[in-house]
Amino acid sequence: DTAVSQTPKYLVTQMGNDKSIKCEQNLGHDTMYWYKQDSKKFLKIMFSYNNKELIINETVPNRFSPKSPDKAHLNLHINSLELGDSAVYFCASSSYAEAFFGQGTRLTVV
Amino acid sequence: QKEVEQDPGPLSVPEGAIVSLNCTYSNSAFQYFMWYRQYSRKGPELLMYTYSSGNKEDGRFTAQVDKSSKYISLFIRDSQPSDSATYLCAMRSDQGAQKLVFGQGTRLTINP
Repeated sequence: DTAVSQTPKYLVTQMGNDKSIKCEQNLGHDTMYWYKQDSKKFLKIMFSYNNKELIINETVPNRFSPKSPDKAHLNLHINSLELGDSAVYFCASSSYAEAFFGQGTRLTVV
Repeated sequence: QKEVEQDPGPLSVPEGAIVSLNCTYSNSAFQYFMWYRQYSRKGPELLMYTYSSGNKEDGRFTAQVDKSSKYISLFIRDSQPSDSATYLCAMRSDQGAQKLVFGQGTRLTINP
């Protein structure tokens, strides 16, 4: 049973389109995150939610909008996609310290 | 200066060697230290988790934290080709928002 699952795994889309990535965790954690991993493998936090409340927003363009309908789900909607948005996006959830990651969504904007 | 520094490698060693991976950090508030392993096209997988200073051992893996030097290490004994992956250190404080800060990751190859 997958602990943190995100869909889709791959996403290829044209510039200017709007797309969403979904994430669900079954670990019972209160905190969920979105991270972006660039081509050099550097993982950078984008957002964090605790019990459906936004607690971290790391200077991400407002084309990116997270939504947490409940504490087990954290979705990421991206408007007006740009070439520079191409990356791997990871969802994660955590207990007090350890974080567990999903398998990633490889987004390619063409 | 990045909060967490990690040599990206690549690092290539023969099978059976002891591997040492390291990170330095600048934020003295960090209290939780983690090592993740990431295989190609997969998500980061938690390997080791340590609170504050000290050592922790799990099978062939040993994590060390030296808070006085702001330096953490991961040792892999009897390295195997299946250990070939990118290793990422991560850390966070126990105050404020729960943000994990990652190092850049070290790409490790174990040669048979």
